[in-house]
Amino acid sequence: QSALTQPASVSGSPGQSITISCTGTSSDVGDYNYVSWYQQHPGKAPKLMIYDVSNRPSGVSARFSGSKSGNTASLTISGLQAEDEADYYCSSYTTSVVFGGGTKLTVL
Amino acid sequence: QLVQSGAEVKKPGASVKVSCKAFGYTFTTFVIHWVRQAPGQRPEWMGWISAGTGNTKYSQKFQGRATITRDTSASTAFMQLSSLRSEDTAVYYCARSYHYGFDYWGQGTLVTVSS
Repeated sequence: QSALTQPASVSGSPGQSITISCTGTSSDVGDYNYVSWYQQHPGKAPKLMIYDVSNRPSGVSARFSGSKSGNTASLTISGLQAEDEADYYCSSYTTSVVFGGGTKLTVL
Repeated sequence: QLVQSGAEVKKPGASVKVSCKAFGYTFTTFVIHWVRQAPGQRPEWMGWISAGTGNTKYSQKFQGRATITRDTSASTAFMQLSSLRSEDTAVYYCARSYHYGFDYWGQGTLVTVSS
């Protein structure tokens, strides 16, 4: 299973919306609804933000949403806040688990 | 929550064993995964153990070198990695499976491999 592809960086101003893409293949992202998204602040463990493409765990802000089209999954963060600045990783869980390369979100 | 053992420094060729103790839920009802992250790199999945049955599955990359076990009486999972090399220097995390994501993570254990 190959790694997933994410943009290296995205940025936005407070209050704006941004979208991070995660591109896989028809063997992982395209064929299964098993994509998760994680937020990671420096020196901290990853935090689950979205599971199974579009589900939010209890306690995660409704500003975070997930979707999928074909072989590409997306994480959208609306109403950007300073504390959203972090690295974001997608992952796909099929016969094994693979992570994307990560996207650094900068809040301007 | 999941609480991991402390940082380790090992020499090349040695083995390391990291523990992950679960609190606040029934240990045997969930799968525990191990994920490592080298400095500045993406997380890398190593394998999982069913805390209830003891069944395991490993990433092909770690098959034969990593061993994941558990002690149900202590609500603790373990990950042992042998034949360590410098490229194994990373933070090692345990994480609880939730649907097809990982909802609770340990705080991480830094393993440094250096001669």
